[in-house]
Amino acid sequence: KAGVTQTPRYLIKTRGQQVTLSCSPISGHRSVSWYQQTPGQGLQFLFEYFSETQRNKGNFPGRFSGRQFSNSRSEMNVSTLELGDSALYLCASGPPGRGITDTQYFGPGTRLTVL
Amino acid sequence: QKEVEQNSGPLSVPEGAIASLNCTYSDRGSQSFFWYRQYSGKSPELIMFIYSNGDKEDGRFTAQLNKASQYVSLLIRDSQPSDSATYLCAVGRAGGTSYGKLTFGQGTILTVHP
Repeated sequence: KAGVTQTPRYLIKTRGQQVTLSCSPISGHRSVSWYQQTPGQGLQFLFEYFSETQRNKGNFPGRFSGRQFSNSRSEMNVSTLELGDSALYLCASGPPGRGITDTQYFGPGTRLTVL
Repeated sequence: QKEVEQNSGPLSVPEGAIASLNCTYSDRGSQSFFWYRQYSGKSPELIMFIYSNGDKEDGRFTAQLNKASQYVSLLIRDSQPSDSATYLCAVGRAGGTSYGKLTFGQGTILTVHP
């Protein structure tokens, strides 16, 4: 089974621009979670999508948004980029939940650099 | 108090030794516990998950969970230089506002020296 894929792998943007990152989950997985990883804050949860619906959202400003398509692929968008948005953005997919947070498998990540 | 805390590193062990990684969590409603390994420049890779109190073994890895003490650990037996990485403890709970959310510790850097 193919793993989680993320595109692009690397991005360089300037302040004020916007960016869209893409994630394709493992086949059959319908839950997609997004995380931001920085040296200072570690891994922080952004949001989770399941069946095209955002079920959960972390403590990030509204500039961070996402969506999920009917094939479970997901995108996240960051508008009005700030220097502090430079990070590794990780997508994780998981099987349908059983009422507790199920195992999540991470993609390779997108390294975003904001200049 | 951080939600998930891991023993401060870095941790250095000789090849062949047992590496012990510890993690405590503050949310008593936590129900799922995970250990991920992350090599430098790579994404986290799942090593173990555990839901019930006690021990769970998988090859050289043993996860231990004590919900009463809000403590989870990972033992790596016969440590190899290839085990050198950052180990992340992650905690999850039931649905509602916790859907799809894992809370991570800051990670422990493990170095296994020959």
